[in-house]
Amino acid sequence: QVQLVQSGAEVKKPGASVKVACKASGYSFTNSYMHWVRQAPGQGLEWLGIINPNGGSTTYRQSFQERITMTKDTSTNSVYMELSSLRSEDTAVYYCARGGANGDYFDHWGQGTLVTVSS
Amino acid sequence: DIQLTQFPSSLSASVGDRVTITCRASQSISSRLAWYQQKVGKAPKLLIYWASSLQTGVPSRFSGSGSGTEFTLTITSLQPDDFATYYCQQYNGYFPWTFGQGTKVEIK
Repeated sequence: QVQLVQSGAEVKKPGASVKVACKASGYSFTNSYMHWVRQAPGQGLEWLGIINPNGGSTTYRQSFQERITMTKDTSTNSVYMELSSLRSEDTAVYYCARGGANGDYFDHWGQGTLVTVSS
Repeated sequence: DIQLTQFPSSLSASVGDRVTITCRASQSISSRLAWYQQKVGKAPKLLIYWASSLQTGVPSRFSGSGSGTEFTLTITSLQPDDFATYYCQQYNGYFPWTFGQGTKVEIK
């Protein structure tokens, strides 16, 4: 069965960077896009960007363009999301989510990674 | 960006009730809409895609309808396991994909 397993919770200081991992299993890794979505405490869902594991092309939400990087490692079936210049407003649960048949909706989700930004 | 407005933002209902949640898009998105269920402390779960297609394994009491700018998620005969927050999401054409603000379904 499809599984997305994310790395553990992180605590970072303002201005630092964080890198969250998402390891996929149970399907052909390069056949499905992967998205990243975040959810601040008590808030709704915010789409951050998408990576194509087949080749590594990415598209980021414009407001994150300058400080987000998504990468992939096909040897370990993993994708990564790195966010730099962290501020308190980046405190959130970060999810990886597999794109559906056309990469559009999200048919499987990781368990989420809590990133806390605090001085 | 395409804005999605869900209403109501919350509702109270009893087991066995029929529940309808509406999602309105700021411009036409054809049928490019999905619905998710999220329980506290858990990741969202896909219920409906392409506005009305039921995801594998999702109970048939969930259904979706609509096209263009107006969409609904209906739960016939609400069950105890259905108390959660529901989100719509659009995937029409250009990024960013966006979500509605959520509808919390609580026990009356």
